[in-house]
Amino acid sequence: QVQLVQSGAEVKKPGASVKVSCKTSGYTFTAYFMNWVRQAPGQGLEWIGWINPNSGETSYAQRSQGRVTLTRDTSISTAYMEVSSLTSDDTAVYYCARGSYTWSLDYWGPGTLVTVSS
Amino acid sequence: EIVLTQSPGTLSLSPGERATLSCRASQSVSNSYLAWYQQKPGQAPRLLIYGASNRATGIPDRFSGSGSGTDFTLSISRLEPEDFAVYYCQQYGSSPFTFGPGSKVDIK
Repeated sequence: QVQLVQSGAEVKKPGASVKVSCKTSGYTFTAYFMNWVRQAPGQGLEWIGWINPNSGETSYAQRSQGRVTLTRDTSISTAYMEVSSLTSDDTAVYYCARGSYTWSLDYWGPGTLVTVSS
Repeated sequence: EIVLTQSPGTLSLSPGERATLSCRASQSVSNSYLAWYQQKPGQAPRLLIYGASNRATGIPDRFSGSGSGTDFTLSISRLEPEDFAVYYCQQYGSSPFTFGPGSKVDIK
């Protein structure tokens, strides 16, 4: 069965960076795009971007451009999201979500809480 | 960027009743690439509907989606206790893939 397992919660200071991992199993990692979505406390969902694990091609929401970097390691079927220059506005649960062949997000990780606090 | 507006913000209903949720886009969603997700507290979202009207794997047939262009609807024919949750629409027809603000269905 398809599984997405994310790294644990993080607490970071303003200005620091954080890297969240999403380890996949149960399907061919390189055959499906991986999306990242975040949700601030009590708020809605915000799409961050996607990566094509086969080619490494990425696409970012404009708000994420320049501070977010999506990468992957195909040898261990894992996707990564790194966010730099963190501010308190980046406090959120970050989800990885597989993009299906129809581009909808069919499998989601459990989420990683990133807290930015001085 | 396509902006999605969902209504109502909150819908208070009883089990067994019908729920109708609306999602309106600021411009036409290409290929009807519109999905609906359900999210319960403390959980990740779950895909319900893709391509505006196609149920995802394992989704009960009481959930149905319709619409095209800029107006889309999610209907739940008879609410079960486990259906009380927040529902989000998302368009993935053009980048950035935007979400609506969500509609909460709570118990009356």
